Amino acid sequence: QKEVEQDPGPLSVPEGAIVSLNCTYSNSAFQYFMWYRQYSRKGPELLMYTYSSGNKEDGRFTAQVDKSSKYISLFIRDSQPSDSATYLCAMSENTDKLIFGTGTRLQVFP
Amino acid sequence: GAVVSQHPSRVICKSGTSVKIECRSLDFQATTMFWYRQFPKQSLMLMATSNEGSKATYEQGVEKDKFLINHASLTLSTLTVTSAHPEDSSFYICSASGLAGGSDTQYFGPGTRLTVL
Repeated sequence: QKEVEQDPGPLSVPEGAIVSLNCTYSNSAFQYFMWYRQYSRKGPELLMYTYSSGNKEDGRFTAQVDKSSKYISLFIRDSQPSDSATYLCAMSENTDKLIFGTGTRLQVFP
Repeated sequence: GAVVSQHPSRVICKSGTSVKIECRSLDFQATTMFWYRQFPKQSLMLMATSNEGSKATYEQGVEKDKFLINHASLTLSTLTVTSAHPEDSSFYICSASGLAGGSDTQYFGPGTRLTVL
């Protein structure tokens, strides 16, 4: 069993839809949770950074962490074609070694 | 802020040659730099962690004599793939962490695509 599980997709949604991306994990010691966006042939770009459980909102993006269920989510409101990318969840026990999910490929069509 | 650059962005080399990839933190001091490898449609796999002025810590299964890492300053780390072979072809990405913007998290470079013929 992988430490971090993420559905690879692809997920295809119409412009304006609400997108829900999720990861599950097995290591209860994870405390730091991140979401990265990666465009094709580019490095990952940090979107959201959360410590421990709870919600965090930044513009159209909302990150949720449920440590009791070992489940994290990223919601994208009013999705745009420019949001089309691969979204990677990552988590760690400290701020050093990150464990990544495989990434979910999202396509937002006009 | 928190910009990390990599050079070159793309390199093609013959089997048996060595390739050096540079990773720079442009606007902050990176106490720690990380090197990842990403195969197509797969996740990022951590290869090694390096702290400025000390030897890198390699992940299990990564040959330290093949992937030489030097972290000579707080803004520069290099990865040298020695005697590269076609199976080393991959997307190599570095990240840097330090107190950039008050957040001790990792910021990634744009990646280097290595193709070994």
